[in-house]
Amino acid sequence: NAGVTQTPKFRVLKTGQSMTLLCAQDMNHEYMYWYRQDPGMGLRLIHYSVGEGTTAKGEVPDGYNVSRLKKQNFLLGLESAAPSQTSVYFCASSYFGYEQYFGPGTRLTVT
Amino acid sequence: AQSVTQLDSHVSVSEGTPVLLRCNYSSSYSPSLFWYVQHPNKGLQLLLKYTSAATLVKGINGFEAEFKKSETSFHLTKPSAHMSDAAEYFCVVSPPEGTGTASKLTFGTGTRLQVTL
Repeated sequence: NAGVTQTPKFRVLKTGQSMTLLCAQDMNHEYMYWYRQDPGMGLRLIHYSVGEGTTAKGEVPDGYNVSRLKKQNFLLGLESAAPSQTSVYFCASSYFGYEQYFGPGTRLTVT
Repeated sequence: AQSVTQLDSHVSVSEGTPVLLRCNYSSSYSPSLFWYVQHPNKGLQLLLKYTSAATLVKGINGFEAEFKKSETSFHLTKPSAHMSDAAEYFCVVSPPEGTGTASKLTFGTGTRLQVTL
């Protein structure tokens, strides 16, 4: 099992550009999550999904959109990147409301 | 509502000496509590979790934590530090596991553990 994988690992964007981060899990988990990690702030929940075709807002959803078209994939989109979105993004998945398993992260820089 | 406070942003210990990383929580219910470790440029790995069973929880790599309801604390300890323990550690609180609330985790701000020779 690969667990939770994230694509890409690194990305540099210019302000106003768009991009999509891909998260994939092979554990047949129902729930998936996107977090961002900023220095001194721990991880903060952006959006999450409790099943295929469902999404919900987390703590810091503004400027991001998500889609869960397939159970194993959870996409995070930035329509118009801003420097404030420079961060490390982590995806996680869990079997319903149980322990979350994290991916290795995507380091995004917006210039 | 829930929150978590990690009392030290940085802890430095010598190799072979005990480790204590402090965490206090606030919760309006009986929470689940977790400690995660993050090595440089890596993802988060679960060290241990408390889910209302035994109050003393043993995790991987010799770490353990004790849930103290009266003190609202969940401190992480290890009897003898190793160089490989140098990392960032996060204390995390959530609603009880399996309650259907999507396990919304609330992270502490992290404690960076430095281990010196």
